[in-house]
Amino acid sequence: NAGVTQTPKFRVLKTGQSMTLLCAQDMNHEYMYWYRQDPGMGLRLIHYSVGEGTTAKGEVPDGYNVSRLKKQNFLLGLESAAPSQTSVYFCASSYLRTANNSPLHFGNGTRLTVT
Amino acid sequence: GQNIDQPTEMTATEGAIVQINCTYQTSGFNGLFWYQQHAGEAPTFLSYNVLDGLEEKGRFSSFLSRSKGYSYLLLKELQMKDSASYLCAVAFTGGGNKLTFGTGTQLKVEL
Repeated sequence: NAGVTQTPKFRVLKTGQSMTLLCAQDMNHEYMYWYRQDPGMGLRLIHYSVGEGTTAKGEVPDGYNVSRLKKQNFLLGLESAAPSQTSVYFCASSYLRTANNSPLHFGNGTRLTVT
Repeated sequence: GQNIDQPTEMTATEGAIVQINCTYQTSGFNGLFWYQQHAGEAPTFLSYNVLDGLEEKGRFSSFLSRSKGYSYLLLKELQMKDSASYLCAVAFTGGGNKLTFGTGTQLKVEL
């Protein structure tokens, strides 16, 4: 019963390096999301997807790109990492729109440090 | 903006009752969620309110007043394992599928 799985769990990058965070869900959910969580800021939405092949910008999309080639996977890319992107990143999925009492199911997070 | 306000920290005693408040801007309100997050872990869903009133789930209850832009999470018979951050999140119309999260209330349960 995996739910939402994120890889890697931890990563340290140097400024300017690139990386991709992987998210996979096995619940057949239509909606997937990437959030970042910083102290004192709460969870902020980076990008989201309402279905396979679709993506949309969230609250803080700059510096990130995403892809949803398969329904079960949602990838978050950092093309040129910056220290401001040091954060904990959470992937989440939901069956329906969250406004329809469809809670988010979160992965365990990726702790990213950019030096 | 769509500010969501909740206290930063609270402390309570094991076995007691604690109420965590959340206020939000009422314009465009379309549902409110409470999540629990233990340190270093993922948030987990606790409750959902979209109509006025109280929703009860075991030791946890959540209340909503749409006209006041106010919700609270009530935790009864506190246990040490309830020490965690409690996140209030609101769905607004016109926001697509997005939830706006508060910064969370860090609850510490003491003996």
